[in-house]
Amino acid sequence: ILNVEQSPQSLHVQEGDSTNFTCSFPSSNFYALHWYRWETAKSPEALFVMTLNGDEKKKGRISATLNTKEGYSYLYIKGSQPEDSATYLCAFNTGNQFYFGTGTSLTVIP
Amino acid sequence: DAGITQSPRYKITETGRQVTLMCHQTWSHSYMFWYRQDLGHGLRLIYYSAAADITDKGEVPDGYVVSRSKTENFPLTLESATRSQTSVYFCASGRQGGTEAFFGQGTRLTVV
Repeated sequence: ILNVEQSPQSLHVQEGDSTNFTCSFPSSNFYALHWYRWETAKSPEALFVMTLNGDEKKKGRISATLNTKEGYSYLYIKGSQPEDSATYLCAFNTGNQFYFGTGTSLTVIP
Repeated sequence: DAGITQSPRYKITETGRQVTLMCHQTWSHSYMFWYRQDLGHGLRLIYYSAAADITDKGEVPDGYVVSRSKTENFPLTLESATRSQTSVYFCASGRQGGTEAFFGQGTRLTVV
């Protein structure tokens, strides 16, 4: 069993604030790191897949970075909006298994 | 329609009963996964399958059985349901090489 940790567990931010959260994972057996956005009563939706050390991905106001040597990834949200409220999951991919963190629950207050 | 579908969406069963959760995908993805979602634990892998007739245990396999006779189907069976198996179950599929996992809508199972 591989340990994938996310922090913080939850956070509340004001609309317009920028925020970031962390995913920590093992530095061995790395194939890819995934970020998912998970809204209540829906299934997780893929945000990013990152495979190379130093990768940076961006989609609108959301971006992510990857450091495979030290085993962490950051997800950034710039200018948070209420519709960004969701749980953000990261998943460590060994090539044949996905190990998920427990998620960071984000609430954006209007 | 193309995609991954789970059935039923909601199920209530009694302790000791056998119950099967269905998962069907239309993409011909090699990999399929079953996860359970519990408060404080996120998503935990129950079983996964790399191809038809190939299955392997994940983190929490006890009390569950899977089969994969066809690429598109990956049923999960609780042989004798217990209350601790009350959870939301998600099925996912992905291409060989694990580039991404696509999730079904989930099955909410309650064992009374």
